[in-house]
Amino acid sequence: KAGVTQTPRYLIKTRGQQVTLSCSPISGHRSVSWYQQTPGQGLQFLFEYFSETQRNKGNFPGRFSGRQFSNSRSEMNVSTLELGDSALYLCASSPRTGGNYNEQFFGPGTRLTVL
Amino acid sequence: AQKITQTQPGMFVQEKEAVTLDCTYDTSDPSYGLFWYKQPSSGEMIFLIYQGSYDQQNATEGRYSLNFQKARKSANLVISASQLGDSAMYFCAMRERRNAGGTSYGKLTFGQGTILTVHP
Repeated sequence: KAGVTQTPRYLIKTRGQQVTLSCSPISGHRSVSWYQQTPGQGLQFLFEYFSETQRNKGNFPGRFSGRQFSNSRSEMNVSTLELGDSALYLCASSPRTGGNYNEQFFGPGTRLTVL
Repeated sequence: AQKITQTQPGMFVQEKEAVTLDCTYDTSDPSYGLFWYKQPSSGEMIFLIYQGSYDQQNATEGRYSLNFQKARKSANLVISASQLGDSAMYFCAMRERRNAGGTSYGKLTFGQGTILTVHP
């Protein structure tokens, strides 16, 4: 079974631009979560989608948005990029949402650099 | 207040020895789950072990075991017989049943991580 895939793996953008990152979950998984990882703030939860609905959202500005398609693939978009958006963006998929034990399988991440 | 605290920024261990990575957590939710992940330099997060708040026994997965002390709110990871390939960043994470806005769904709250270096 293929793992979680994220595209692109590396991205360089300039301030003010927008970017779209893609995540394909493990086949059969319906939940996709996104995390931002930076040296200063560590790993922070962005949002989770389940069955095309946003179930939970972290404490990020409205410039960060996402969506999920009927095939469970998810995209996240960051508009008006700032230097501080440079980070590793990780996507994780789960077979379901809710519950305490709900192992999340992570993808390799997309490393975004904003110049 | 930090929900997950990992007080060891870096740890060193000799190959084949055991090492304990510390994790304390803070929650008022009686139902929660605790996870440990390994992140090699490649960036991918690898799931290691899980402990539920109602689990009576400490979790074990091969060379990994979780020393769960509920009253002290600690969930330390023990790696036995360290290998060179264990060198990586290790994260402790928690999922609560509910957050202030309702159910927590997929949200994992991570600690700051501990860099483990295994020496030959």
